[in-house]
Amino acid sequence: SQTIHQWPATLVQPVGSPLSLECTVEGTSNPNLYWYRQAAGRGLQLLFYSVGIGQISSEVPQNLSASRPQDRQFILSSKKLLLSDSGFYLCAWSGGFPFGANVLTFGAGSRLTVL
Amino acid sequence: KNEVEQSPQNLTAQEGEFITINCSYSVGISALHWLQQHPGGGIVSLFMLSSGKKKHGRLIATINIQEKHSSLHITASHPRDSAVYICAVRSVYGGSQGNLIFGKGTKLSVKP
Repeated sequence: SQTIHQWPATLVQPVGSPLSLECTVEGTSNPNLYWYRQAAGRGLQLLFYSVGIGQISSEVPQNLSASRPQDRQFILSSKKLLLSDSGFYLCAWSGGFPFGANVLTFGAGSRLTVL
Repeated sequence: KNEVEQSPQNLTAQEGEFITINCSYSVGISALHWLQQHPGGGIVSLFMLSSGKKKHGRLIATINIQEKHSSLHITASHPRDSAVYICAVRSVYGGSQGNLIFGKGTKLSVKP
């Protein structure tokens, strides 16, 4: 079976501090990986997606960056957090062998509060 | 105008009621997903549809490609069904590879 791990689940960070959220996937190979943000009362916004190691596409200009150092690892980072970075961040994967594009699985999410 | 519209935004029901949540979209799609987000935040994929109808337990999802509309039905609703239900479509036209366009969700509260 396939699983997705995302951590940390909750964090409170001061403005200007760095950020690192990590996501790892098991049970599939070469998946598409995604980072979404969900602000309070709003829908899911795609931040980054990756179709392979080292391949990152950014959807929204912002204070964040993403990296995919391994096939099943996706990292969301910031060098200096802003208040507006607060929100609920979700990692997700789709596709990959042997499942194909029909599978869509989300991590449990990371709730970030920037003070 | 959003490419994916859900209605209603909020829905309160009594336990046992039949519930319908609607999703309309304006783009050509290859698939439509219904997702469930519980108060803790985690999201679970309920259905992936490209045509017709699917059923899983008390949940039924239908899609009409010509009308660009999908519905999620819950029969014999229960308080544990309380969650936000999100419709998401996979567009066939350009955009991010594999990207989904999300509705804003329908918040369902089932009272005992």
